[in-house]
Amino acid sequence: EDQVTQSPEALRLQEGESSSLNCSYTVSGLRGLFWYRQDPGKGPEFLFTLYSAGEEKEKERLKATLTKKESFLHITAPKPEDSATYLCAVQASQAGTALIFGKGTTLSVSS
Amino acid sequence: KAGVTQTPRYLIKTRGQQVTLSCSPISGHRSVSWYQQTPGQGLQFLFEYFSETQRNKGNFPGRFSGRQFSNSRSEMNVSTLELGDSALYLCASSLGGLAALEQFFGPGTRLTVL
Repeated sequence: EDQVTQSPEALRLQEGESSSLNCSYTVSGLRGLFWYRQDPGKGPEFLFTLYSAGEEKEKERLKATLTKKESFLHITAPKPEDSATYLCAVQASQAGTALIFGKGTTLSVSS
Repeated sequence: KAGVTQTPRYLIKTRGQQVTLSCSPISGHRSVSWYQQTPGQGLQFLFEYFSETQRNKGNFPGRFSGRQFSNSRSEMNVSTLELGDSALYLCASSLGGLAALEQFFGPGTRLTVL
């Protein structure tokens, strides 16, 4: 069964304190791995797509990496405005275009 | 470029009623997917429409149905509402190819079933 697990469930950081979020996946043929950010009461906002092991993508203070079993979202020197829930999703070969989501990591950054 | 729009934003219904939600995708996008988000189950895939045809379906009962129009706008219908149908319903649009393409989400419709 295709499955996505994110850890930790919640993470509290001080402004400037770098950390990483983990997304472990089990899929029968990975077509793509996606990271989204979701603010309370809003729809998920697209951040990155990763396709193959070894791939990395960056955007401002965020950097996403991919291995054959997991992906990391590295947050460098976070600011309070980075506080949100970060969702990881995979698209599997046998599931068509459906995204299979993890439960998310809720990040709180205090000043 | 306008994003994905969903209407209405909030709905309150009672058990046994039916409801129709609407989604307008990003201009040029031909695929619309629907997801249900609840605190317990997270985001779960309902179905996807492409060129007015249902191309993919998740594990939800037949009370959940949808359709897509020639302008790519999509509607989702839930009949005989149950308390457990209370959720945030999100639609996402993408260009529509079978490759792993980004899906862009709307703000969602918050459905409360009393």
